[in-house]
Amino acid sequence: AQSVAQPEDQVNVAEGNPLTVKCTYSVSGNPYLFWYVQYPNRGLQFLLKYITGDNLVKGSYGFEAEFNKSQTSFHLKKPSALVSDSALYFCAVRDGDSSYKLIFGSGTRLLVRP
Amino acid sequence: DTGVSQNPRHKITKRGQNVTFRCDPISEHNRLYWYRQTLGQGPEFLTYFQNEAQLEKSRLLSDRFSAERPKGSFSTLEIQRTEQGDSAMYLCASSWGELGNTDTQYFGPGTRLTVL
Repeated sequence: AQSVAQPEDQVNVAEGNPLTVKCTYSVSGNPYLFWYVQYPNRGLQFLLKYITGDNLVKGSYGFEAEFNKSQTSFHLKKPSALVSDSALYFCAVRDGDSSYKLIFGSGTRLLVRP
Repeated sequence: DTGVSQNPRHKITKRGQNVTFRCDPISEHNRLYWYRQTLGQGPEFLTYFQNEAQLEKSRLLSDRFSAERPKGSFSTLEIQRTEQGDSAMYLCASSWGELGNTDTQYFGPGTRLTVL
C-alpha cells in the first residue's frame, strides 16, 4: 500500500532563512507526489506535484520540492521563508496507478518567526 | 473560476440526527472527492465520483454515510444517525481528469461538523 511519512510535527525557522519540510514515501509502482498547505480553518491549497521528469519541481508562492528516488523522499523547500508561510503542510501520494485518491501524511506545522 | 464551494461551513447537531452537506465543484471538473479530516491529522479519503458515477468508496465509509452526484455537477454527503465520532472537517475536492493522467485536486473550505 502507498504511504507517506512526515517525520517532523513542527519546523521552526527564522524569516529570511531557507526552510525544508521533509516527506518520505513508500509506493509500489510510479510515485505521484503532492504538497498542499492549510491555513487555519481553511481547506487545502495545492502547492506542487511530481509526476515524472525533472527531480526539482517548482510550485506556487516560491516553493519547490526535490524528488529523490534513491532516498524515497520528496522534501519541500523555499530559499527564503516569510512569516506568512506559517501554516500546516501536507505531503500526499496518489494511491497507485488504478486509483485517483490521495493518501496524506500527518502534516508538519511550519512556524516562521520574525 | 470561483473555486470549490461547500455549504454549510459549520454544522452543529445532536447525536442521532441526520445531516447533509453540499459541495459545488469547479465548473466543468469531472471528478469530485470527499475527505474527512480530524484534528491534528491529514485528510482521509471517503469517496470519489467521475461525473455521476461513484467509483470508489473507503472502508471508513460506514453504512450511515451516503454520497451522491446526481447530474455530475454538485454532490451531497449525508450522514445518518450521527455519532460523536463523526465530528470532523469534511472536505470536498474536484479535478479535471483524463484517462491515465494524474490530475490536481482543488479543495473547498470544508464543512466543520460538531456532534453533541
